[in-house]
Amino acid sequence: AQRVTQPEKLLSVFKGAPVELKCNYSYSGSPELFWYVQYSRQRLQLLLRHISRESIKGFTADLNKGETSFHLKKPFAQEEDSAMYYCALSPTGTASKLTFGTGTRLQVTL
Amino acid sequence: NAGVTQTPKFQVLKTGQSMTLQCAQDMNHEYMSWYRQDPGMGLRLIHYSVGAGITDQGEVPNGYNVSRSTTEDFPLRLLSAAPSQTSVYFCATQAGGPMYGANVLTFGAGSRLTVL
Repeated sequence: AQRVTQPEKLLSVFKGAPVELKCNYSYSGSPELFWYVQYSRQRLQLLLRHISRESIKGFTADLNKGETSFHLKKPFAQEEDSAMYYCALSPTGTASKLTFGTGTRLQVTL
Repeated sequence: NAGVTQTPKFQVLKTGQSMTLQCAQDMNHEYMSWYRQDPGMGLRLIHYSVGAGITDQGEVPNGYNVSRSTTEDFPLRLLSAAPSQTSVYFCATQAGGPMYGANVLTFGAGSRLTVL
């Protein structure tokens, strides 16, 4: 069975400080990993996915198969980054049955 | 282009009552799914459909029923509501078929259900 673990329920950082939201996964095959974000009063939306190797809104995430991790990082936090972040996993090449982590609320304060 | 539309946005039920949460999409997406979001538990898949006439169970299907008679609509039915079904429900869609590799979901705004 696949599992996604986000160990922190809440992460509070100061504006301008680096951010790292942790995500570890458990899956025997080769997964696809995603980060979804939910801003206040907005819909859940895709932030980034590992296969794209892209940086969105200054965020990056590297898939580390050895450590089975997909941590989300940003060098300098902004107030508008405050949101709920979900890490998600899907087996490669199968139907879209995403398994989500429990989420981490990022709070950026002045 | 409305995307994914969920109705109602809010609903209060009494234990034992039945209701249907509606989900409609105008993007011609083949794949549709229902998730529930609970504090401390993230999003859990209830049911999903890979096309009209095809549905399957997710992680937490008990107490819920679905059907997919058209590409556009994927209603979620609570047959006999229980307090444990108090949650926020999200409908999500995805373009392409089940083997489409991107797995990028488009979510509705959510329906908040309270069962007393």
